[in-house]
Amino acid sequence: DIQMTQSPSSLSASIGNRITITCRASQSITKYLNWYQQKPGQAPKVLIYAASSLQSGVPSRFSGSGSGTDFTLTISSLQPEDYATYFCQQGYSPPYTFGQGTKLEIK
Amino acid sequence: EVQLVQSGAEVKKPGESLKISCKSSGYSFPSYWIAWVRQMPGKGLEWLGIISPGDSETIYSPSFEGQVTISADKSISTAYLQWNSLKASDTAMYYCARLERREYYFDYWGQGTLVSVSS
Repeated sequence: DIQMTQSPSSLSASIGNRITITCRASQSITKYLNWYQQKPGQAPKVLIYAASSLQSGVPSRFSGSGSGTDFTLTISSLQPEDYATYFCQQGYSPPYTFGQGTKLEIK
Repeated sequence: EVQLVQSGAEVKKPGESLKISCKSSGYSFPSYWIAWVRQMPGKGLEWLGIISPGDSETIYSPSFEGQVTISADKSISTAYLQWNSLKASDTAMYYCARLERREYYFDYWGQGTLVSVSS
């Protein structure tokens, strides 16, 4: 199985801050890295697919980069609705494993 | 409009069997793989397995193979997740999700089915 390691596991930041979450794969997954946002009591929602493609309807303050084994999710200016848990997921080969999640909290 | 609608919450005892469902609409059901994802209370997302409804080809995570059974009935556009003998450790929220077939991401999700197992 491909292991996905996210960091940090939690993050405290203020409205307007720029934040970055990283995800590392245990082997190359080329571009097949996806990012999801999950709010309490809701199903996950895709934000970024194929490392850097913004899903339709997702605000442009979200961006993704990386290839191979190292990837990042950046939120350029935090908004109140961005406080949630974020997961990475590899789509390179099954099992399509997830990272352990990053909980983003209000500072 | 694409929708995945899951069956309702279940409360079961250890040793009981269970089958939960995920009904799809708004697209060609046989054409997209459907995955099942577990989320234990307060924890992260775990990928259980995936099925191609067109031919019922199924791939399981090694961690869950033999513990659950994934199936699909394309005549009613519904995927299933089944247990023969539940354990307390199966208590979790279970999501179904559609796999987008070019870039391999989960583009649509069900609302989740909460399974509680307790004696």
